[in-house]
Amino acid sequence: RKEVEQDPGPFNVPEGATVAFNCTYSNSASQSFFWYRQDCRKEPKLLMSVYSSGNEDGRFTAQLNRASQYISLLIRDSKLSDSATYLCVVSPWDDKIIFGKGTRLHILP
Amino acid sequence: GAGVSQSPRYKVAKRGQDVALRCDPISGHVSLFWYQQALGQGPEFLTYFQNEAQLDKSGLPSDRFFAERPEGSVSTLKIQRTQQEDSAVYLCASSPSGVNEQFFGPGTRLTVL
Repeated sequence: RKEVEQDPGPFNVPEGATVAFNCTYSNSASQSFFWYRQDCRKEPKLLMSVYSSGNEDGRFTAQLNRASQYISLLIRDSKLSDSATYLCVVSPWDDKIIFGKGTRLHILP
Repeated sequence: GAGVSQSPRYKVAKRGQDVALRCDPISGHVSLFWYQQALGQGPEFLTYFQNEAQLDKSGLPSDRFFAERPEGSVSTLKIQRTQQEDSAVYLCASSPSGVNEQFFGPGTRLTVL
């Protein structure tokens, strides 16, 4: 099993719809989890950290399921500007960070 | 304030040449990371510095790759005797400490002919 796995997509979703991505990780001792967003030919930028209790930031909700070793990202009322690649990031310990390959999202007008 | 900057933004090298890639992190950021990103892939961890100490270099693909951060601020990633498979975008990121929110530079796109 790869350390961090994501469905590469692409997910083609109509504007206004809700879309969800999952990301699985192999190291059960992993401590920190993040979602980053990367636009085409740009650098990654932090979208949100993922906390054990789940967290929400506007239209975005992140969840962590330690028992099944996955994190999820839910985007509600999707906008054209949400089109990007979403990178799942897992940190097994403080100086180690592992990126998934990313999930491509296309929001269709 | 200024973000992370990297130079050059683009580099074309002939196979066998040595290259040096520079990263200027955000002032005061303790942690600095280097990543390699191939087309269509996520960033792959190369190495990590805490101040001037290189705490993890497990991701460097071969002994042709070398990174330093001698004064705990600017970092340089050097690749000796470049090969075609080294072609990628090299990303630098800094954070106030550890792996918490990382701020990425724009990357250096290296093409080895």
